[in-house]
Amino acid sequence: GESVGLHLPTLSVQEGDNSIINCAYSNSASDYFIWYKQESGKGPQFIIDIRSNMDKRQGQRVTVLLNKTVKHLSLQIAATQPGDSAVYFCAENIGNTGGFKTIFGAGTRLFVKA
Amino acid sequence: NAGVTQTPKFQVLKTGQSMTLQCAQDMNHNSMYWYRQDPGMGLRLIYYSASEGTTDKGEVPNGYNVSRLNKREFSLRLESAAPSQTSVYFCASSERTRSYEQYFGPGTRLTVT
Repeated sequence: GESVGLHLPTLSVQEGDNSIINCAYSNSASDYFIWYKQESGKGPQFIIDIRSNMDKRQGQRVTVLLNKTVKHLSLQIAATQPGDSAVYFCAENIGNTGGFKTIFGAGTRLFVKA
Repeated sequence: NAGVTQTPKFQVLKTGQSMTLQCAQDMNHNSMYWYRQDPGMGLRLIYYSASEGTTDKGEVPNGYNVSRLNKREFSLRLESAAPSQTSVYFCASSERTRSYEQYFGPGTRLTVT
């Protein structure tokens, strides 16, 4: 299967604990942010998104927080499970008038210890 | 539904050889994308197709060409492969270009020697 880079930032958490994955974005004009999960051997999978006019959005067991002042995004996973082990990417969509531009971060690898 | 499918899963090429990566989606999505993923660099957009009949360059289009064959299929062609094109290639689709939820295929691992 396909693998992501071997030298990603890594977060290791105990099963049942909460996980917080952080991401810094680069462009003040970004109008939309997305979190993707990539399991080993698979393509990225959409988790949750948030518009720039929001500062928090909740999904099932996940919460995304957006701090535009410091250009910071975080993904909180409640009661982390072994199946949450994966690489997590944040992505920012830069608003524009013509083309399409989503910039992906390098990713964070989450290990869940049983 | 199979979602987004890609062929082949693995490919090894010699420098200068050509090949086409195939992608198909069965979700009736309008927009399709090709990305490459390199270690530590996240996904970078190569080309995209906002709708059938249109294609546009992304962040790293040099050395690649694309064809939106029909609404379902979007192929990526390497005319003369170079070692710098060694990467994992992902195809994705979305309902429309500014739909932020993209559905990805399983990827193709390409090695150019």
